[in-house]
Amino acid sequence: QVHLQESGPRLVKPSETLSLTCTVSGGSFGTYYWSWIRQTAGKGLEWIGRSYVSGSARYNPSLKSRVTMSLDTSKKQFSLSLRSATSADTAVYYCAREYSPAAGSFEFWGQGILVTVSS
Amino acid sequence: EIVLAQSPATLSLSPGERATLSCRASQSISDYLTWYQQKPGQPPRLLIFDASKRATGIPARFSGSGYGTDFTLTISSLEPEDFAVYYCQQRDDWPRTFGQGTRLEVK
Repeated sequence: QVHLQESGPRLVKPSETLSLTCTVSGGSFGTYYWSWIRQTAGKGLEWIGRSYVSGSARYNPSLKSRVTMSLDTSKKQFSLSLRSATSADTAVYYCAREYSPAAGSFEFWGQGILVTVSS
Repeated sequence: EIVLAQSPATLSLSPGERATLSCRASQSISDYLTWYQQKPGQPPRLLIFDASKRATGIPARFSGSGYGTDFTLTISSLEPEDFAVYYCQQRDDWPRTFGQGTRLEVK
């Protein structure tokens, strides 16, 4: 069974970088797209971006200037960096694996990690 | 970006009743529409992809329909575990976007 687990600091100061890692167990790593999605009560679910082992990545234009994603296939991990964090970035962050028959849909999700941006 | 509008915001029904949830896209997305179910404290769960195809392990009481801009998720006979929030999401264009959700609550 595929399992995803988010990890990282749960409290980030304004203007600093929010950094999260997703560790994948079970299943193949190199043949799927891996995404980050966040959820807030106000804006709902927001797709942040996706990455692939080839190094290609695609980001939401609303966050593109501040986001970097990367993968470490040897560790079966992928990561998210969101620079210049503000209170608007406070959210539950999910990592997810896209669904092979329908790339762009999300089949497996981590449990989510609540990150608060506050001084 | 493509905006998905879900209606109603809240739907109050009883177990055994039929639920009909709507999702409308701001432009045509062919059949690239996905439905998820989310319960408190859990991540979304993939139910339906490509408008009408059930994901692995999803009960037959869940069905989806639609094409272009108008889509429907139907739960034929509500079970107690079906009361949750339901989201639609499009994979036709970038960025991927989600609807605001329909809360299905017990009447």
